[in-house]
Amino acid sequence: DTAVSQTPKYLVTQMGNDKSIKCEQNLGHDTMYWYKQDSKKFLKIMFSYNNKELIINETVPNRFSPKSPDKAHLNLHINSLELGDSAVYFCASSQGEGGQPQHFGDGTRLSIL
Amino acid sequence: SQQGEEDPQALSIQEGENATMNCSYKTSINNLQWYRQNSGRGLVHLILIRSNEREKHSGRLRVTLDTSKKSSSLLITASRAADTASYFCVNAGNNRKLIWGLGTSLAVNP
Repeated sequence: DTAVSQTPKYLVTQMGNDKSIKCEQNLGHDTMYWYKQDSKKFLKIMFSYNNKELIINETVPNRFSPKSPDKAHLNLHINSLELGDSAVYFCASSQGEGGQPQHFGDGTRLSIL
Repeated sequence: SQQGEEDPQALSIQEGENATMNCSYKTSINNLQWYRQNSGRGLVHLILIRSNEREKHSGRLRVTLDTSKKSSSLLITASRAADTASYFCVNAGNNRKLIWGLGTSLAVNP
């Protein structure tokens, strides 16, 4: 059973479109994260939710909006996609915040044409 | 810069050799963690070392932490082709933030 699953795995779309990435974890964790990994493999945290409450909100354009309907889900909606949004987006979860080991999904590769 | 730094950025060794990667960080830590990322996959947690620990082992992995130098090292002994991956350190600071390094790309040649 996949612990942290993201869909879709690949997303190819045009500039200006709106898209969503879904993430679900079946580990019973209370904290979930979204990361962006660029072409140089630099991993940057975007958001973190603990028990559905937003606890980390890094400097991210407000075109990116996370939504956590429950502890097991954290979705990412992106409006008006730009070329610079092309990257791999990873969802992760942990039990507790502030430094607990994280479990990652396999990523969503977003390509903007 | 808040991010950690691993060195070397890339490392190529023969199967059976040991691989050593280093990580430096700038801010105080609660713990430091190492992760592995295989090509096209998510990161996998390898080992966590707390700020009051100096050395930790897990199978073929050995991690050291020197808080006076703000550095950590990951040693993989008797490397295998399957160890080929990128390795990241992350500084779990005291402010809910995880500060990631840029990774070391390890190639183990059969």
